[in-house]
Amino acid sequence: AQSVTQPDIHITVSEGASLELRCNYSYGATPYLFWYVQSPGQGLQLLLKYFSGDTLVQGIKGFEAEFKRSQSSFNLRKPSVHWSDAAEYFCAVGLFSGGYNKLIFGAGTRLAVHP
Amino acid sequence: DTGVSQDPRHKITKRGQNVTFRCDPISEHNRLYWYRQTLGQGPEFLTYFQNEAQLEKSRLLSDRFSAERPKGSFSTLEIQRTEQGDSAMYLCASSLVQGRHEQYFGPGTRLTVT
Repeated sequence: AQSVTQPDIHITVSEGASLELRCNYSYGATPYLFWYVQSPGQGLQLLLKYFSGDTLVQGIKGFEAEFKRSQSSFNLRKPSVHWSDAAEYFCAVGLFSGGYNKLIFGAGTRLAVHP
Repeated sequence: DTGVSQDPRHKITKRGQNVTFRCDPISEHNRLYWYRQTLGQGPEFLTYFQNEAQLEKSRLLSDRFSAERPKGSFSTLEIQRTEQGDSAMYLCASSLVQGRHEQYFGPGTRLTVT
């Protein structure tokens, strides 16, 4: 069955430090992969997506992610974290079934940023 | 583009009552999805519409749940005889048929069943 694993439930970094959030997926075919961010009281905002081509994808707010097929991973990175990045981050795989994209989400990683 | 909107944002109800939530997708989007998110978990797929047709329902959607999208525009999600286990955030998303199928999410409706 398709699944997404985010091994880190909670991560704390200092402002200005680099960040890497891990995501592993289980899916039989080439996946469509997404990272979303959720701030308290708000819906999910799409940070970036991977469909095909270049395995390093750039997103909004200075985030990037790298697709590694051999490791079934799609880790999210940011070189320098800002206090406003504190939020919950969700990795998702999109399933094409009948021509649409149903999202399977991981459990999320909550990011705290120390000043 | 005003984004996906949901109403109400918060709902507190007593066990056994019926509740209805509304979702207004981005105007040109013909696909609409409902997800449920419980505390500490990622969203879980509930159901999907293309225009007014409901094309898939998750087994999470028990008989007490019903969703409609009467004219292919807004959608409603009704829960009958609510139970405490229904307490969650209910998220709506929409997307286009063509293109890369990115889903755009609304702010959600938080349901608390007491």
